[in-house]
Amino acid sequence: DAGITQSPRHKVTETGTPVTLRCHQTENHRYMYWYRQDPGHGLRLIHYSYGVKDTDKGEVSDGYSVSRSKTEDFLLTLESATSSQTSVYFCAISEADYGYTFGSGTRLTVV
Amino acid sequence: EDKVVQSPLSLVVHEGDTVTLNCSYEVTNFRSLLWYKQEKKAPTFLFMLTSSGIEKKSGRLSSILDKKELFSILNITATQTGDSAVYLCAVNGGSQGNLIFGKGTKLSVKP
Repeated sequence: DAGITQSPRHKVTETGTPVTLRCHQTENHRYMYWYRQDPGHGLRLIHYSYGVKDTDKGEVSDGYSVSRSKTEDFLLTLESATSSQTSVYFCAISEADYGYTFGSGTRLTVV
Repeated sequence: EDKVVQSPLSLVVHEGDTVTLNCSYEVTNFRSLLWYKQEKKAPTFLFMLTSSGIEKKSGRLSSILDKKELFSILNITATQTGDSAVYLCAVNGGSQGNLIFGKGTKLSVKP
């Protein structure tokens, strides 16, 4: 979607390697979120940010860390990738009580 | 525990049919309820509802919220094959504005 981009779009990595996914926005929205989407589970919140250097854990944060050093960038790191982290990852942005805008997603496969 | 439950989980109809998708919720800090449509990529925004009894309408789609009974419905009239998608219901109820998602309803519209 215009205003929010995720990279990479697809990635295959090996078990035990670190992986970083990037979310970049040009909307200057305060809030940014990382979700993962899996069959049978829907979208689940991993981490979110409510400002530069302000982040907090979501429902499924184990094995993930995040950083936000600039308003426009929110990074999600898998410290040591496992097969259970194979998923589609979505970044989202929002401002105040408006709805979310989602990025196009990153399909991550851990082999 | 906050939760959002959608029903049915999947639905197959024929073009021209009318469908009703359901979403019930139990959330501590309700702010709004949102509907999204997800085809192959990112969820796209349909409606945001904050007040009971006020119908939101966009073309053949409409939605209404009942805050007393804690549910919402999404109606699609005169369905078309292009309506085939997963419809996601989400409630803005997290402490930092994070959305809590249901698992979605997969709608298939046959010609």
